[in-house]
Amino acid sequence: DTGVSQNPRHKITKRGQNVTFRCDPISEHNRLYWYRQTLGQGPEFLTYFQNEAQLEKSRLLSDRFSAERPKGSFSTLEIQRTEQGDSAMYLCASRGRRINYGYTFGSGTRLTVV
Amino acid sequence: AQRVTQPEKLLSVFKGAPVELKCNYSYSGSPELFWYVQYSRQRLQLLLRHISRESIKGFTADLNKGETSFHLKKPFAQEEDSAMYYCALSGQGGAQKLVFGQGTRLTINP
Repeated sequence: DTGVSQNPRHKITKRGQNVTFRCDPISEHNRLYWYRQTLGQGPEFLTYFQNEAQLEKSRLLSDRFSAERPKGSFSTLEIQRTEQGDSAMYLCASRGRRINYGYTFGSGTRLTVV
Repeated sequence: AQRVTQPEKLLSVFKGAPVELKCNYSYSGSPELFWYVQYSRQRLQLLLRHISRESIKGFTADLNKGETSFHLKKPFAQEEDSAMYYCALSGQGGAQKLVFGQGTRLTINP
């Protein structure tokens, strides 16, 4: 297992277009998180899945954002009608069931909305 | 409310000098504290967890519940320590999501 994988690494899109990002967590990790990071800031929590259930969403996650984790495996984050303010690094992290499992982050998807 | 404060956005020290990156937190219960590091063009990597009480790459961090601090220290800085450092906490129960500070960019001068 090579860790948490995110695709694409970079995405440039025109304002108003829809984009979808994918995250493949570590296979035995049941917890999956999405974060957003803008320049000069630490990562900010967006949403959390335990297995296939989306259990928590941040107020940052407007109704243009939707996330899924079918069958509790990979996850997708979709942004509809993108705005320039959506430009950021989108990070995915996963964590296992055991308390001594840390959070493992992917390399992120950098979104630029032009 | 959960909050992590890293008061220094930038920190520059000379090679061989001691390093201390400050982190203060706000949480009503007993949080789990972490330090993450991000080297240039690399992903966020876990550096330390307070429950592990281990030293990684010469770094240590002690949880001070009285001062609600989790400062990161290294006695002798090395050039390869130059990176972005983030302090984070995770609460008990629920999502156990990480709440990050703004980060400190550490530069080690030769």
